[in-house]
Amino acid sequence: QQQVKQSPQSLIVQKGGIPIINCAYENTAFDYFPWYQQFPGKGPALLIAIRPDVSEKKEGRFTISFNKSAKQFSLHIMDSQPGDSATYFCAAANSGSARQLTFGSGTQLTVLP
Amino acid sequence: NAGVTQTPKFQVLKTGQSMTLQCAQDMNHEYMSWYRQDPGMGLRLIHYSVGAGITDQGEVPNGYNVSRSTTEDFPLRLLSAAPSQTSVYFCASSSPGTEGNTIYFGEGSWLTVV
Repeated sequence: QQQVKQSPQSLIVQKGGIPIINCAYENTAFDYFPWYQQFPGKGPALLIAIRPDVSEKKEGRFTISFNKSAKQFSLHIMDSQPGDSATYFCAAANSGSARQLTFGSGTQLTVLP
Repeated sequence: NAGVTQTPKFQVLKTGQSMTLQCAQDMNHEYMSWYRQDPGMGLRLIHYSVGAGITDQGEVPNGYNVSRSTTEDFPLRLLSAAPSQTSVYFCASSSPGTEGNTIYFGEGSWLTVV
């Protein structure tokens, strides 16, 4: 049972474009929603995270939008750069469960120069 | 600052062999966990620990054992390797007191079972 569904599987944009990655979750007990960035041969690294008490969070060029009623959240990358080319994972956790993450299936982003 | 260290980086096993993937963290984190990453499936939780002497199963625990004798170390044991265990394994750690409750991952261990 996939509790966090992520789309699209892959995404190609031109430099300066705004890629958007979407995730939907099922478990209403989730209260922590991080996004991870992974480069080839490396472990995932936390990019940005949000809690359900806010609808949007920005950190630099990265923005999370959160819709609690729809149980959906998305990552927007403003002014994307070739260096943003990586695999992005959304995740969800119940902070009462020792922060064990449930991951989406990942989106491979390619930003063309 | 080492963070989360995993060894070995790469390993090839024959079916039926056993081995241990090592994980150590130097951040004094209480929580540690093991995930496996397979194409198109994201990362899936194998086992986790909330402190020394305490472990529990995650989503895909079959074929794996863990123990947590110290805060720093959380080894993952494959008792009888199977081709279905070919994957990339990531160890992670975090602490309830960590700002933002960040979960830190190691760089991964690539395991091939032939």
